[in-house]
Amino acid sequence: DTAVSQTPKYLVTQMGNDKSIKCEQNLGHDTMYWYKQDSKKFLKIMFSYNNKELIINETVPNRFSPKSPDKAHLNLHINSLELGDSAVYFCASSQDLRGRAFFGQGTRLTVV
Amino acid sequence: KNEVEQSPQNLTAQEGEFITINCSYSVGISALHWLQQHPGGGIVSLFMLSSGKKKHGRLIATINIQEKHSSLHITASHPRDSAVYICAVRAGAQKLVFGQGTRLTINP
Repeated sequence: DTAVSQTPKYLVTQMGNDKSIKCEQNLGHDTMYWYKQDSKKFLKIMFSYNNKELIINETVPNRFSPKSPDKAHLNLHINSLELGDSAVYFCASSQDLRGRAFFGQGTRLTVV
Repeated sequence: KNEVEQSPQNLTAQEGEFITINCSYSVGISALHWLQQHPGGGIVSLFMLSSGKKKHGRLIATINIQEKHSSLHITASHPRDSAVYICAVRAGAQKLVFGQGTRLTINP
């Protein structure tokens, strides 16, 4: 079984649309993250949730809204998609705020 | 300047060579991670360490807290080791800050 799973793996959409990426972890971890990997392959944190509570919001536009219905899920909703949102988005989880991170396989978002 | 710097950015070697990838950081950390990103894009956590040395198979990771430096070594390298290796530090207790990655290519 996949420990951290994201869906979809690929997402192609037009500018202005609203889309969601789902993430689920079956590791029993308390902490979940969303990271963005840009075209230069540089990873940067976007959000961190611990026990369903938002811990980190790293100067991400308001168009990005994470939702954590329970500890095992952290979904990412993006409104009014822009060309610059094209990237690979990685979900990850860790036992707690200090633990080793386990990553999902990534979602490649292409905005056209 | 990024808080986490890796060197080299690109490394090409022949199968069997001993590989070293370096990571220097400028912030206080609670732990350092080494990650491997496969050509297909998936990311795997290799090590998490806060002191000393860890070994897993042909991989060895070391960290020197005083010098704010870590190294990842690969012994008897193999083409399947070809990947991007990413150093990340946990700054405080809250977030991972990533290096820019080292692209390793091992030729047969």
